Amino acid sequence: KAGVTQTPRYLIKTRGQQVTLSCSPISGHRSVSWYQQTPGQGLQFLFEYFSETQRNKGNFPGRFSGRQFSNSRSEMNVSTLELGDSALYLCASSSSRPSYNEQFFGPGTRLTVL
Amino acid sequence: GDSVTQMEGPVTLSEEAFLTINCTYTATGYPSLFWYVQYPGEGLQLLLKATKADDKGSNKGFEATYRKETTSFHLEKGSVQVSDSAVYFCALPYYGGSQGNLIFGKGTKLSVKP
Repeated sequence: KAGVTQTPRYLIKTRGQQVTLSCSPISGHRSVSWYQQTPGQGLQFLFEYFSETQRNKGNFPGRFSGRQFSNSRSEMNVSTLELGDSALYLCASSSSRPSYNEQFFGPGTRLTVL
Repeated sequence: GDSVTQMEGPVTLSEEAFLTINCTYTATGYPSLFWYVQYPGEGLQLLLKATKADDKGSNKGFEATYRKETTSFHLEKGSVQVSDSAVYFCALPYYGGSQGNLIFGKGTKLSVKP
C-alpha cells in the first residue's frame, strides 16, 4: 500500500498570505488528522476529519481550518499567516475501526513564514 | 487531563550502548501506548505499541512494556547503532473528543556516535 502523501513538501510564504496544504491518506483509511510540529511546542493536534466531517479540533485559532473530500483526501488552510506559523505540518491517517488508534504519518510539509 | 511525560534530551550514546528513554503517562482508563520515531527530515513512524497492561511491544530491537502500576512505558534497546539516531516520541490516544488524535511527549533526541 502506498503511504500517506503530503504536498507540497516545502513552502515559503510571507506574513499575511494564506496557504493550503494537501494530504492523501492510505487507501481505505477514512480518518485524517493534522498536527503542527515546532521546536518550542512539540507536536500539537490541529484537527481530525472522518467521512468529510470534522470530529475533533485542537486549541488553534480560527485562521487554521481544514476539510476532507469524499475520497478522504484532506486539505488544511492557514489564513493571514504569522511568523509563528512556521512549522512542520504533519498529516496522519488511521483506520476507522473504533478500537484501533494507530496513526500513519506522512513526511510533512515544511512551512516557512517570512 | 491526559498527558505524556518523557525524559528530557538530548541523549548521546556510543554505538552498542544500552538505551533507556523514560515515559510516564496520565490517562483515564488503560489506553493503548505508542512509541514513534522521527528520523532527520522525515515524518513520524510507528516504532512499537502495546494495547493493554503488561503487554510488551517490540520492533527493530527496541522494546517497551506497558506498566499500569507505575503508569510507564519506557523504551529500551540493548545495543544501539548509529542508524538509531533520531527523535523518539511516546504517545497515547486522546478519547475526550474522538479516536482521531494522539497526545505526544516532547520527544527525546538520541545521537549515537560510532
